[in-house]
Amino acid sequence: DVKVTQSSRYLVKRTGEKVFLECVQDMDHENMFWYRQDPGLGLRLIYFSYDVKMKEKGDIPEGYSVSREKKERFSLILESASTNQTSMYLCASGRETQYFGPGTRLLVL
Amino acid sequence: GENVEQHPSTLSVQEGDSAVIKCTYSDSASNYFPWYKQELGKRPQLIIDIRSNVGEKKDQRIAVTLNKTAKHFSLHITETQPEDSAVYFCAAWGGGSYIPTFGRGTSLIVHP
Repeated sequence: DVKVTQSSRYLVKRTGEKVFLECVQDMDHENMFWYRQDPGLGLRLIYFSYDVKMKEKGDIPEGYSVSREKKERFSLILESASTNQTSMYLCASGRETQYFGPGTRLLVL
Repeated sequence: GENVEQHPSTLSVQEGDSAVIKCTYSDSASNYFPWYKQELGKRPQLIIDIRSNVGEKKDQRIAVTLNKTAKHFSLHITETQPEDSAVYFCAAWGGGSYIPTFGRGTSLIVHP
């Protein structure tokens, strides 16, 4: 079974803090993705990576950056958290079939 | 780029009824169309998918149909049960793109 894990299920941060969300997959997938899920807006792609140290912007990259130093690990970074980044963040890996992590619900106060 | 429209946004049915969710896509080069189910508080999981060389695919009570000419594909759930209550997402990709485009999701509520 493919396993995709995320570092936190719930996170509360203050405005202006730097936030790190980490995702790890154990299936040797080249492609990894970060999505943001908001009610009524579905899954919006923030960034994706198709190889180590390679990254591409998705539909809503503003205010986010990513890091992929190892194949199994893909990190999402909020350089200076803002209240409008309060959301559910989902990591996924896979080629066609997307295997999702459990999600991190982030609250920025 | 690809654009995927999903309807309806909410669907309420009685247990035992059928449910149909429809997605339209814009890029005729898209060739892979998965459907994901997300139960409350859980991660999305693939439930069925279809490729552009197939018109219909079934798996027990769920089926997906694809009309390439009209550029739409639909999820059909028969004999709905309360455990089918969830948010369903469609997606489209392929044809040179290695990222999926998701629909906005349909919240299916099955009343006992």
